[in-house]
Amino acid sequence: VQLREWGPGLVRPSGTLSLTCDVSDGSINSSYWWNWVRQPPGRGLEWIGEIYHSGSTNYNPSLKSRVTMSVDTSKNHFTLKMSSVTAADTAVYYCGRVDSTSWHVDPWGRGTLVTVSS
Amino acid sequence: IQMTQSPSTLSASVGDRVTITCRASQPVSGWLAWYQQKPGQAPNLLIYKASILKSGVPSRFSGSGSRTEFTLTISSLQAGDFATYYCQQYSFFGQGTKVEIK
Repeated sequence: VQLREWGPGLVRPSGTLSLTCDVSDGSINSSYWWNWVRQPPGRGLEWIGEIYHSGSTNYNPSLKSRVTMSVDTSKNHFTLKMSSVTAADTAVYYCGRVDSTSWHVDPWGRGTLVTVSS
Repeated sequence: IQMTQSPSTLSASVGDRVTITCRASQPVSGWLAWYQQKPGQAPNLLIYKASILKSGVPSRFSGSGSRTEFTLTISSLQAGDFATYYCQQYSFFGQGTKVEIK
């Protein structure tokens, strides 16, 4: 399976970040959780949340009030929306597949840089 | 849960044996994973369930540990191993260990 993130690379402060992760060479309708992880420039990894093909979600408590994830099984992709963004949300955003039997992320998408700036 | 890696930076030479430690703030399951990340690239899974090597990963990488302390060992550091390594337990990542050339 391969994953590819895409969406606007620049978002205005207080706006909404919107990213899509396309899943190819595999079905999103499988026994995996589909995750978003981000990495601010020069810093470590932060888990954002996950979604199952049924639509069930789990979010990082620190971001939960601003994050919404959805899944479109007909298009074999899932999306991330983050509202009220600030410069602190500038990061490379990765999507990844998580095996629920051992909870590791593999594979990862290549990542996409989102900059929050006016 | 907090995952704390040590050291934060490690200077080593090709051929060295390298050990990175990941400590959990409370006992955790054995679902501990290790990733390697090179500049400008996504993380790459090395080990999962604390000690299982992902297919295709060189055998010089190994993992061990349980409950609150886990280790990643590189038995003989190669040029391509200079990178940052992260541990992960569920939704919690360690802060990373940068392995740099001595």
